[in-house]
Amino acid sequence: GAVVSQHPSWVICKSGTSVKIECRSLDFQATTMFWYRQFPKQSLMLMATSNEGSKATYEQGVEKDKFLINHASLTLSTLTVTSAHPEDSSFYICSVWGGRNTGELFFGEGSRLTVL
Amino acid sequence: SQQGEEDPQALSIQEGENATMNCSYKTSINNLQWYRQNSGRGLVHLILIRSNEREKHSGRLRVTLDTSKKSSSLLITASRAADTASYFCATDGGGNNRLAFGKGNQVVVIP
Repeated sequence: GAVVSQHPSWVICKSGTSVKIECRSLDFQATTMFWYRQFPKQSLMLMATSNEGSKATYEQGVEKDKFLINHASLTLSTLTVTSAHPEDSSFYICSVWGGRNTGELFFGEGSRLTVL
Repeated sequence: SQQGEEDPQALSIQEGENATMNCSYKTSINNLQWYRQNSGRGLVHLILIRSNEREKHSGRLRVTLDTSKKSSSLLITASRAADTASYFCATDGGGNNRLAFGKGNQVVVIP
């Protein structure tokens, strides 16, 4: 299956700063990547679908100007949390579809963001 | 939107016992999947069952699917301490190319 790497695995920042999280598909070319957000002891909420070479598709209620997504290559998607506030503190996880139309998602290890 | 709903959400069992968790969903599906998440980590795919299948096995895992009731169950037999994790079901929403995850079941296996 696909190997997905996220960086950083954790980050602490001050309120008002911007934080960039990278998601790399190491052995698989991914035209589509998915960004999820997970609060403690809760489920994953799909934030947006990152599309290589075009604009991301955001889920209802997700501010596209707040959560900037760039998918400039087939192996890299980035999520930038702009002007972060404490309520943005969360676990952000990216994923890609497995190859051969398996229907499975392969996930990165996640990035824990804490905004002070 | 989240479709799956698991019940119960927390389960504590002794090592060697079986663990059963359920998931219900609301829309039509092409397939339903179960994922596992260790604390603070990403999710790992466990098993996928297609809408025309009723039961599927993979090692110590057994998944059932009842499309008439829009529900699925995951059974872990002969549980081990290493099975301690959260388990999520996910549905494909009938092929909209996105997965919606349920609330999750936290399973603690006591050695």
